[in-house]
Amino acid sequence: NAGVTQTPKFRVLKTGQSMTLLCAQDMNHEYMYWYRQDPGMGLRLIHYSVGEGTTAKGEVPDGYNVSRLKKQNFLLGLESAAPSQTSVYFCASSYSSGDYNEQFFGPGTRLTVL
Amino acid sequence: GDSVTQMEGPVTLSEEACLTINCTYTATGYPSLFWYVQYPGEGLQLLLKATKADDKGSNKGFEATYRKETTSFHLEKGSVQVSDSAVYFCALSDLVQGADGLTFGKGTHLIIQP
Repeated sequence: NAGVTQTPKFRVLKTGQSMTLLCAQDMNHEYMYWYRQDPGMGLRLIHYSVGEGTTAKGEVPDGYNVSRLKKQNFLLGLESAAPSQTSVYFCASSYSSGDYNEQFFGPGTRLTVL
Repeated sequence: GDSVTQMEGPVTLSEEACLTINCTYTATGYPSLFWYVQYPGEGLQLLLKATKADDKGSNKGFEATYRKETTSFHLEKGSVQVSDSAVYFCALSDLVQGADGLTFGKGTHLIIQP
């Protein structure tokens, strides 16, 4: 099993450009998440999904959109990138919520917006 | 809202020293508590967890006890190794808040010197 994979690993954008980050998991997990990691801030939840076709906002959703058309994939889109979106983005998945909410993380995407 | 506070780093120790990384939390409901570890250039991995008061999570020589009375979940290890050098995140899951994502502390960078 590959677990959680993310593409691309690195990307540099200019302000105003758009891009999509892809997250894929092969563990048949229902729940998927997008976080951003910034120095001194820990990880903050952007959006999440509790199942195919559903999405919900997290703590810092502004400037991002997501889609979950297939159970194994969770896409994060930036329609018009801004320098404030320079960050490391992590995708995660879990079998369920509740007490046993172990999340499995991908290796991350390092995004720089100039 | 929910929050997690952990000691700021970096924390620098010599090999075989004792380790304690403090973590305290505020939560609306009865959260599950987690410690995740991030090795350089990688995503986060679950280190240990506890789902109710007085539970002790343990893994790879690390331990943490869920203390409801002090709202704490301190990470401890009796003898650290160079390979323990990483960033450690305390996190909680609180479904009463309505979101399924984890709330993370800012992370503690641990450096073990030989």
